[in-house]
Amino acid sequence: GENVEQHPSTLSVQEGDSAVIKCTYSDSASNYFPWYKQELGKRPQLIIDIRSNVGEKKDQRIAVTLNKTAKHFSLHITETQPEDSAVYFCVGGNNNDMRFGAGTRLTVKP
Amino acid sequence: EAQVTQNPRYLITVTGKKLTVTCSQNMNHEYMSWYRQDPGLGLRQIYYSMNVEVTDKGDVPEGYKVSRKEKRNFPLILESPSPNQTSLYFCASSWGLGNQPQHFGDGTRLSIL
Repeated sequence: GENVEQHPSTLSVQEGDSAVIKCTYSDSASNYFPWYKQELGKRPQLIIDIRSNVGEKKDQRIAVTLNKTAKHFSLHITETQPEDSAVYFCVGGNNNDMRFGAGTRLTVKP
Repeated sequence: EAQVTQNPRYLITVTGKKLTVTCSQNMNHEYMSWYRQDPGLGLRQIYYSMNVEVTDKGDVPEGYKVSRKEKRNFPLILESPSPNQTSLYFCASSWGLGNQPQHFGDGTRLSIL
C-alpha cells in the first residue's frame, strides 16, 4: 500500500514570507494528491488538489507542485498571513488506497 | 447546506460499554469513510464504504465495526471500547471512489476511561 511522509512537522514563518511543505510517496500508481488545512478544533478542509497528469496547480496564494519521477509533491504558500496558521496534511494515493501524511503545524507570526 | 453530521461531538465513557457514533451526509455521496486522528500520526483510516452494503477495512480496523444500510448513514460502532481507542474521530464522504475531494464532519472526541 501507499506510504506518505511529510516534512517538516512544524514550521514557523514571519507574516509575508513564503512557506513550503514537502511530501513524498511510495506507490508509483498514486494519481491523486489533495492538501487539507485543519484549523485548531475544526475539521480538515480541502484547500487544493492535483492529479498525476498535471505538474503544477495554483490558486491565488497557494500552489502545489508534483514530481512524479521523484515521487514527491509540495505545497507553497506565498505572502503568508496569520490566518494561514493551521495544521496542513498532504494526502496521496489511488482509488481507495489514500494515505495522509502526519501533518505540518504552520505558525505565521504577525 | 451540504454537510456531514456526526454525533455525539464529545463522549466520555468507560471500558467495555458499547457505543455508536453516527454519521450522516446529505450530498448523495457514494463513498464514506471513518478516520481517527492522534497526535503525530495524521489521520488514519478505520473503515470505508463505496456504497450501500459495501464496506472494507482501512489501516486500523481492529476494535471497530461499521454498517452501510442506507446511502446517507455510516455509523461507527465500538462493541467493547478500550482506553487505546481514546481519540478524535472524523467521518468523511465524497462522490465516486476515495480519490476525490472529501468532505469531513466536525469530529467526535471520544475518551474511554
